[in-house]
Amino acid sequence: GQQVMQIPQYQHVQEGEDFTTYCNSSTTLSNIQWYKQRPGGHPVFLIQLVKSGEVKKQKRLTFQFGEAKKNSSLHITATQTTDVGTYFCAGREGGSEKLVFGKGTKLTVNP
Amino acid sequence: ETGVTQTPRHLVMGMTNKKSLKCEQHLGHNAMYWYKQSAKKPLELMFVYSLEERVENNSVPSRFSPECPNSSHLFLHLHTLQPEDSALYLCASSQDSPSGVAKNIQYFGAGTRLSVL
Repeated sequence: GQQVMQIPQYQHVQEGEDFTTYCNSSTTLSNIQWYKQRPGGHPVFLIQLVKSGEVKKQKRLTFQFGEAKKNSSLHITATQTTDVGTYFCAGREGGSEKLVFGKGTKLTVNP
Repeated sequence: ETGVTQTPRHLVMGMTNKKSLKCEQHLGHNAMYWYKQSAKKPLELMFVYSLEERVENNSVPSRFSPECPNSSHLFLHLHTLQPEDSALYLCASSQDSPSGVAKNIQYFGAGTRLSVL
């Protein structure tokens, strides 16, 4: 079945450093979503990417969808302590209706 | 506040107890989900209901029994659980077409933290 792999599992950075998490699928995706879960909280939707090669920005966050629609990345520029949390990607295989979540990348930021 | 309310927020139960988790969504969505979140499997889909019909059951043990009486309410009935069932149980909802379950944005509740002794 479809698998969504996410790396790294953990990332610790100094405040001000950049951060990137990568998501790879074993199959071509129809779309991909990104969620953020703060410590003690629940996943909150950030963005959805649909088109091949799509790039979207939200302030310091940049989301990319690969040309082959099998991978995606989330890049945070100049991290802040408010960026702390676990970032999940979730992909849907073309023709399938089920959303499959990656295992998430837990980001910690040292002030 | 996401529009998805889960109760209770915390639950401690023995292995012989029977309890139920409740989820209510106020977003007018037509699909609801149960996820299990633990250290081993961060977000594991358990059940999906679309238009009040169960459309997904991810090989979940029978000690977990879902119920969806209407499009706004979802229950997870628990009985004879095991300690390894201790986890955060998250409910989510989305607005999907009948042929497109789990297509759209998932709105999660705050979860029920379950401890099985």
